[in-house]
Amino acid sequence: ETGVTQTPRHLVMGMTNKKSLKCEQHLGHNAMYWYKQSAKKPLELMFVYSLEERVENNSVPSRFSPECPNSSHLFLHLHTLQPEDSALYLCASSLNTGGEETQYFGPGTRLLVL
Amino acid sequence: AQSVTQLDSQVPVFEEAPVELRCNYSSSVSVYLFWYVQYPNQGLQLLLKYLSGSTLVKGINGFEAEFNKSQTSFHLRKPSVHISDTAEYFCAVSDPNTGNQFYFGTGTSLTVIP
Repeated sequence: ETGVTQTPRHLVMGMTNKKSLKCEQHLGHNAMYWYKQSAKKPLELMFVYSLEERVENNSVPSRFSPECPNSSHLFLHLHTLQPEDSALYLCASSLNTGGEETQYFGPGTRLLVL
Repeated sequence: AQSVTQLDSQVPVFEEAPVELRCNYSSSVSVYLFWYVQYPNQGLQLLLKYLSGSTLVKGINGFEAEFNKSQTSFHLRKPSVHISDTAEYFCAVSDPNTGNQFYFGTGTSLTVIP
């Protein structure tokens, strides 16, 4: 596989469930990102990892917990979510962090919280 | 923090007609500017970016954008659109001084009418 892949593509969960989103990049990049995409809102940058170290956490609620075990894999662990957390969650990677870098996005996980 | 405004949420245009998608950002300090496109059920992919130099930037699929510092704008244009250009288009800004932060607009949905 090439590029950035995300699994699952669709997820329905109750507010008491625990689930995880997975992202994998096959581009040899050092930086990975989680974004939240909601209808009619700008993409919200949630977390940034550089060389497996978290470098940004944009005031995201603790019910979202990221994990980056190596530079190719990124997880987003979810627990006790709220209905307003329903959205498309996008993973991206770039060669390095830095404002000039092009980000490469996965197709996203469509999450519905009931 | 930066903010990005895409005034047109939906733009319908006939096939082979020209199109301009508008983008304005909030700060007049040095910025990097991007346009991304999102096709249905896919992640975002880069169309073009401005880092420095010539204010007219050419991208993929015949798109171009012009950086106007005095008007803090980065409008996207294409002289003749195709059906395949139907997609969501996002303008984004990053600050060279805080490279981990990317600010996206709310997107413009371009629909090309046969």
